[in-house]
Amino acid sequence: GDSVTQMEGPVTLSEEAFLTINCTYTATGYPSLFWYVQYPGEGLQLLLKATKADDKGSNKGFEATYRKETTSFHLEKGSVQVSDSAVYFCALSMNTGNQFYFGTGTSLTVIP
Amino acid sequence: DTAVSQTPKYLVTQMGNDKSIKCEQNLGHDTMYWYKQDSKKFLKIMFSYNNKELIINETVPNRFSPKSPDKAHLNLHINSLELGDSAVYFCASSQDATALYGYTFGSGTRLTVV
Repeated sequence: GDSVTQMEGPVTLSEEAFLTINCTYTATGYPSLFWYVQYPGEGLQLLLKATKADDKGSNKGFEATYRKETTSFHLEKGSVQVSDSAVYFCALSMNTGNQFYFGTGTSLTVIP
Repeated sequence: DTAVSQTPKYLVTQMGNDKSIKCEQNLGHDTMYWYKQDSKKFLKIMFSYNNKELIINETVPNRFSPKSPDKAHLNLHINSLELGDSAVYFCASSQDATALYGYTFGSGTRLTVV
């Protein structure tokens, strides 16, 4: 069935380090792909999205490119800050109704 | 104005009690959801309503009953609360059932059953 798999955490980085959180998907059709971020004690917020192959989503210095050939949507940021400490969720929507899937979340802690 | 607001933010109650969580969205979205997030941050969908009609009803105990009086509101009533019900419950909405543009989440209700 359709699903997303993201790298397990927790991930701990020093400030200004490069971040990659891997996400791969399995889908029978052409999904839309999302990254959500959950800061401590808050709900999930949409961070970025891509709706078709080769699209790049970007926001707040984060980027992810929808790669159909590798069925991936890896999240990257060139220089993380302490304020980026949060749990990151990859997700996909099959765009046909009632089919939205979240990954298991990756916890990121950035230390000064 | 908060787009998706849920109340209460915290709920501490004893086993066996009945409680409700309310959710309202002012985005004009057609579809609303309830998710449960466990202590490991895993998200599990519970219910979804599209224009007041139940469209997703996952395997959850029948002690959980959703109600959607109109498309802007989705409430969750829980009977006979158990220790295992302790979790964070999130309400969310999407433009329609395809969720092509993703979800907008509320800030969550942390339920603690003692």
